[in-house]
Amino acid sequence: KNQVEQSPQSLIILEGKNCTLQCNYTVSPFSNLRWYKQDTGRGPVSLTIMTFSENTKSNGRYTATLDADTKQSSLHITASQLSDSASYICVVSHQTGANNLFFGTGTRLTVIP
Amino acid sequence: DAMVIQNPRYQVTQFGKPVTLSCSQTLNHNVMYWYQQKSSQAPKLLFHYYDKDFNNEADTPDNFQSRRPNTSFCFLDIRSPGLGDAAMYLCATSRSGWNTGELFFGEGSRLTVL
Repeated sequence: KNQVEQSPQSLIILEGKNCTLQCNYTVSPFSNLRWYKQDTGRGPVSLTIMTFSENTKSNGRYTATLDADTKQSSLHITASQLSDSASYICVVSHQTGANNLFFGTGTRLTVIP
Repeated sequence: DAMVIQNPRYQVTQFGKPVTLSCSQTLNHNVMYWYQQKSSQAPKLLFHYYDKDFNNEADTPDNFQSRRPNTSFCFLDIRSPGLGDAAMYLCATSRSGWNTGELFFGEGSRLTVL
């Protein structure tokens, strides 16, 4: 069964600290994995995409990693800011097409001053 | 800026009173989606259009219907909203043939059912 699991479910960190969010998936055959940021009451926005051949990709203070062998991805946030408070959703694409997407339930990150 | 626009952002309706949510896009993407997202849950795909071809998810209730009169617009009709239909409804678009899975979401329409 194709599934995406994220951990932790929620996380509270102090402003300026780093954190790492996890995504494990069983989607096969795998096409790509995206991390989305969803602010409260807003639509998700794509942060980064990881394809099979990519191990690490950075987007500013966000760094995503992918281990296609163990089917795990992580999103590392460096020097967190209050504006990083949001839900981070991992979405894995099945090779059958861009319409076959599997969503994780997200990690709710709260950054406190 | 090119974007996906949803209206209204907030909709309050009474139990059983029909509701229509709208979505427009300036990205010229040929795939449009409607997702339902309840609190602390992942978005759940209701249906999508590939150009004019309508694709309904097997577990989408008949209470939910959709229309896409042209490339730019898509509507979600909820015929007889129940309390369980209270949720955020997200419209998204993607470019077909570009299998990166990137969805461009609107800001969502939050539905409250009284």
